[in-house]
This record gives sequence, C-alpha cells and structure tokens, in this order.
Amino acid sequence: QKEVEQNSGPLSVPEGAIASLNCTYSDRGSQSFFWYRQYSGKSPELIMFIYSNGDKEDGRFTAQLNKASQYVSLLIRDSQPSDSATYLCAVKEYSSASKIIFGSGTRLSIRP
Amino acid sequence: GAVVSQHPSRVICKSGTSVKIECRSLDFQATTMFWYRQFPKQSLMLMATSNEGSKATYEQGVEKDKFLINHASLTLSTLTVTSAHPEDSSFYICSARDRANLSPLHFGNGTRLTVT
Repeated sequence: QKEVEQNSGPLSVPEGAIASLNCTYSDRGSQSFFWYRQYSGKSPELIMFIYSNGDKEDGRFTAQLNKASQYVSLLIRDSQPSDSATYLCAVKEYSSASKIIFGSGTRLSIRP
Repeated sequence: GAVVSQHPSRVICKSGTSVKIECRSLDFQATTMFWYRQFPKQSLMLMATSNEGSKATYEQGVEKDKFLINHASLTLSTLTVTSAHPEDSSFYICSARDRANLSPLHFGNGTRLTVT
C-alpha cells in the first residue's frame, strides 16, 4: 500500500515567521510531488509542484525534495493569516500513469 | 491556468433518489478525470478514475453500481450517486489533468451532497 504521511497538526506559527510543512512517502519510484492548499469547505488548490531533487521557489513558497530520504517539504516565508489552511501533500505513483496519492493534510494556523 | 468546472456546488436530496454531478475541463482536454470524496476533517479519498471512452476504474471498497461514472468526451465526466443514503452525504470533488503536458491535477470546486 503506497502511503503519503503528514503530521496532522495543528501547526501554529506567528505571523511573519516561516512555516515548515513536511511529508514522507513510501513509493521510492515516485517522480512527481505536489502541495495543495485547502480552505475549510473548499476544494484543494495547487500551490507548487516539484519533480527534481533540491529546492523550487515561487514567491513566498519553497518546495524541497529529497528523493533519497523520500521526503518533501513546503516552506512558507513571511506567513500571513490568510495562509491558515490545511496543506495536502500529494505524490504521483510510479506504477500508474496518473494516480495521485494524497496525505491526510497538515492544518496550519497563523496567529496574528 | 487550467480550469475545472463542477456542478452543482450543493445538492440536497431525499434517501433513495439519484444525484448526478458534472465535471468539465474548460480550457483543456482531459483523457482522465478523477473523483474524490472527502468527509469532514478527513483527507481526500480517491473513489474512481474516469477514462474517456472506457469504463471507470474504481478503488477498493467503492461500489461501481452505486457510483456510476460516465466519461463520454474529453471535457466531461459525470458521477451519479444512485439510491442515495444519508451516509453518502459528503463533499465530492472531481479533478482532471491536461493530457497535453501532464500537468498536476486541477480540482473542481466540489459538490456538497446532503442526503436527508
């Protein structure tokens, strides 16, 4: 059973600080990794995706991938109250052309 | 960016009736669409993979006769919840992937189903 693990939180971070969200996955052959943000009662929206080892930056967001450790993370700099949401880590299975497995999500709360 | 439209956003129905949810990719062609269900405070659970022009692939534990999926074109997939029961009340979300560039999944806005 392929798995994607996340700490459910809640993770509380003061406004302006860096929020660090972590995710591990079991399928060693996975090639594609995604971070989605989901507000309560809404559907997920894509934040970032990463395919290669290392860091990928987009504005206040940085995704980090370490395939050897089967670990992917999301850093949010200068956290804002509007960043308070559940963040879902998702991994595309190597054995399937399209199937994507989601973690259970980490609830992030930015306190003013 | 890629847009996925899902309709209706909310529906309330009586037990025993059927409900159809539509999922459309508006600006791209999607040979594959995915249907997820999410209960409160839980993560997304993949129900089935909808393939254009062929039968859907259902995840273990999902009844194919209860959740009918039709993917008749490259831009439209439908999920019909048949003989709905209160335990089917949930948030149903479709997603699609642009076949042209294998982009990440893009999600519809979801359908909140309440069965009374």
